[in-house]
Amino acid sequence: NAGVTQTPKFRVLKTGQSMTLLCAQDMNHEYMYWYRQDPGMGLRLIHYSVGEGTTAKGEVPDGYNVSRLKKQNFLLGLESAAPSQTSVYFCASSPKESDADTQYFGPGTRLTVL
Amino acid sequence: AQTVTQSQPEMSVQEAETVTLSCTYDTSESDYYLFWYKQPPSRQMILVIRQEAYKQQNATENRFSVNFQKAAKSFSLKISDSQLGDAAMYFCAYDGGSGNTGKLIFGQGTTLQVKP
Repeated sequence: NAGVTQTPKFRVLKTGQSMTLLCAQDMNHEYMYWYRQDPGMGLRLIHYSVGEGTTAKGEVPDGYNVSRLKKQNFLLGLESAAPSQTSVYFCASSPKESDADTQYFGPGTRLTVL
Repeated sequence: AQTVTQSQPEMSVQEAETVTLSCTYDTSESDYYLFWYKQPPSRQMILVIRQEAYKQQNATENRFSVNFQKAAKSFSLKISDSQLGDAAMYFCAYDGGSGNTGKLIFGQGTTLQVKP
């Protein structure tokens, strides 16, 4: 049981390049989330999904797209990377069988956009 | 909109002593959930403790306990018998409960240093 995994762990992009971050969970969780962490600002929600085939915007969705084609995977895409997207990205999942279910986090991806 | 504020960017404690990390939040909801997460240098986010707003009893998990003051919208974390492994960044987080789809709102974080 690997929990929540993220690929890649590190990445450096040039401005304008595109990339996709992959999040995978093997816990059969319904809900999945993408956050970004910036110094002094805590984690902020980018997008989330409440089930396979569904996605919704979070607090800071601009410049990102997501897809949840399979229940276990949640992809975060950057179509044209900008230096402002330099951050650490965290994926999380939750069974959400009750209102108080815990979110389980992946190890994070450190992205630098030059 | 709900907000979470951690006013202590950094804290330090002597090993074996007790330390309290502060968190305040703003919400108009009556039913919600509050969490403390620990983020060690490995970056992995680890749940420390959680509190349901409808419960008056403060949550405890071994050396970790909270002081939940609903009227004051305060949710502090007390770490007793501090250990070197407790050194990390700690985040307070809010979940709006029913219908919220689990979206978490995080505070800015408090870096805890534990001195031997």
